[in-house]
Amino acid sequence: QLVLTQSPSASASLGASVKLTCTLSSGHSSYAIAWHQQQPEKGPRYLMKLNSDGSHSKGDGIPDRFSGSSSGAERYLTISSLQSEDEADYYCQTWGTGIQGVFGGGTKLTVL
Amino acid sequence: EVQLVESGGGLVKPGGSLRLSCAASGFTFSSYSMNWVRQAPGKGLEWVSSISSSSSYIYYADSVKGRFTISRDNAKNSLYLQMNSLRAEDTAVYYCARDPTAMAGGEIDYWGQGTLVTVSS
Repeated sequence: QLVLTQSPSASASLGASVKLTCTLSSGHSSYAIAWHQQQPEKGPRYLMKLNSDGSHSKGDGIPDRFSGSSSGAERYLTISSLQSEDEADYYCQTWGTGIQGVFGGGTKLTVL
Repeated sequence: EVQLVESGGGLVKPGGSLRLSCAASGFTFSSYSMNWVRQAPGKGLEWVSSISSSSSYIYYADSVKGRFTISRDNAKNSLYLQMNSLRAEDTAVYYCARDPTAMAGGEIDYWGQGTLVTVSS
């Protein structure tokens, strides 16, 4: 069974960088994922698609401060020069035949 | 600009029915698969259903299979979710979301703003 695991919370200071992690369950390390951001009281927003080789394609209007990388079964979202509006929940998601729409539990990012 | 606008949410009694709609604009609707995703109060995102561009492939989460029906009208650029036999645990904000492919794999690259469904007596 395909499961995505995320830490429930993370924090970093204004202007600093933070790296969020999404881990694919055993046997699924080749899967691409997407990162989505959900600011408080808003709907989700697509950030990027991240492939197993670390290549990624960002959504419309997503700042260069957001980047993605991969290592084995780990998928990372790095946010640099943190701003107050980056305080949000971040979800990873994957998909495929027979496993449509699997989401991680989300990471709540606090900007200190 | 891609826009997805959901409607049809509201308060319904357990066992009741509701039909959600999603109006799409800013892209060629008939070329893309679509998804419904929900979020219970204070909880994470849960995929509900996917439909391919031509409605040939349809998938449901086990939690809604047999009760919910996804459909689309490409002439009207609209996506629907018919929800029957509603339960308290179906209470959630329901989001319409675009899949960048035609094959209903569940990938998402655009989201709507959501519509709230509350199931309560």
